[in-house]
Amino acid sequence: GEDVEQSLFLSVREGDSSVINCTYTDSSSTYLYWYKQEPGAGLQLLTYIFSNMDMKQDQRLTVLLNKKDKHLSLRIADTQTGDSAIYFCAERGNTDKLIFGTGTRLQVFP
Amino acid sequence: GAVVSQHPSWVICKSGTSVKIECRSLDFQATTMFWYRQFPKQSLMLMATSNEGSKATYEQGVEKDKFLINHASLTLSTLTVTSAHPEDSSFYICSARRGHEQFFGPGTRLTVL
Repeated sequence: GEDVEQSLFLSVREGDSSVINCTYTDSSSTYLYWYKQEPGAGLQLLTYIFSNMDMKQDQRLTVLLNKKDKHLSLRIADTQTGDSAIYFCAERGNTDKLIFGTGTRLQVFP
Repeated sequence: GAVVSQHPSWVICKSGTSVKIECRSLDFQATTMFWYRQFPKQSLMLMATSNEGSKATYEQGVEKDKFLINHASLTLSTLTVTSAHPEDSSFYICSARRGHEQFFGPGTRLTVL
């Protein structure tokens, strides 16, 4: 079945850039998503990218997609303490279902 | 982004009772909603896809008689956990699809004593 993998932890200093990586196996992915989850809360949709795009930028967020290698990344510029959260990538194939990664816990320290 | 609400945000119940969780899309109509379960420090596990006006589609291993889903209108889906047991304690999150986007509710924490 489809699988989505992420590294578990990332720690960065405030003001630096954060890069969160994700790999997936489903070659029929149509859309790929990044969500943010703060403690005890639901998921906030940050951005998404269509599979025929290589890059998408939205303010401090840059998404890069390497479809050949099935690799997705999320870059957060000028990372702030408020960015500390768990970040999930998710892919959507030919069905309506989203397959989620394991989540990456981002910790931002001063 | 669009707004999805859930009610209640948390609930504590006794073993053997049933609990209903509501999921509402507040500013858009959703023919398709989803119910997820999340264990501590883990990812989301899709339980079922809720389709307005028809039966829900359950994922493998999810008991449809235990987790009853009703999607009676374009803005409301409900999940009823029947005869709840302590192992049903979890964080339940719903989402609603609008086009290519999927928006999530704030989640409901269920604790079964």
